[in-house]
Amino acid sequence: GAVVSQHPSWVICKSGTSVKIECRSLDFQATTMFWYRQFPKQSLMLMATSNEGSKATYEQGVEKDKFLINHASLTLSTLTVTSAHPEDSSFYICSARGGLAGYEQYFGPGTRLTVT
Amino acid sequence: AQTVTQSQPEMSVQEAETVTLSCTYDTSENNYYLFWYKQPPSRQMILVIRQEAYKQQNATENRFSVNFQKAAKSFSLKISDSQLGDTAMYFCAFMKQVDKLIFGTGTRLQVFP
Repeated sequence: GAVVSQHPSWVICKSGTSVKIECRSLDFQATTMFWYRQFPKQSLMLMATSNEGSKATYEQGVEKDKFLINHASLTLSTLTVTSAHPEDSSFYICSARGGLAGYEQYFGPGTRLTVT
Repeated sequence: AQTVTQSQPEMSVQEAETVTLSCTYDTSENNYYLFWYKQPPSRQMILVIRQEAYKQQNATENRFSVNFQKAAKSFSLKISDSQLGDTAMYFCAFMKQVDKLIFGTGTRLQVFP
């Protein structure tokens, strides 16, 4: 149980375009979802926390107009990178928490974004 | 603010041997949770073991065990009978109550034959 999926697993987009990443909890209701960014050989950096039906809470230094997060249902959260630039290239990971999962976060497999 | 420190960027161990990864944290909270996550080359984050701060008994999960020293704010991970599949990045993480995870910088573990 407690499976989280992400789609797509990898994406290449051109500079200036927007790209959307989906995060789904497959077998539980995720009241809270988290979005992380990870650079090569570095730790996970929390970007934002979203609760279902509420606006996301962004960490300091994360541009909320650039990284749009929507948590419209208990099983789906989306991260949209707007007007992407090469420096946005990174590995994006979501996690979800809720229901019987209690306090534990379950992680998606990640999405590799490359902006050319 | 809470911080998590992993002072060993890289570790190596021979197959079947035992290795200990270090983690210290700083907090003024009394109730919190500690975790060790494994991130293999696939980059999927996998929970290895968890510890609730109110529990004095050290958590164990098969070959994985922790040495939780609350007063010293130390939370080390011991891997016994190391296997090639244990090769991965290991992240120590702290969470107060039901809040966000705070990760350490990670330790890259290489298990060699």
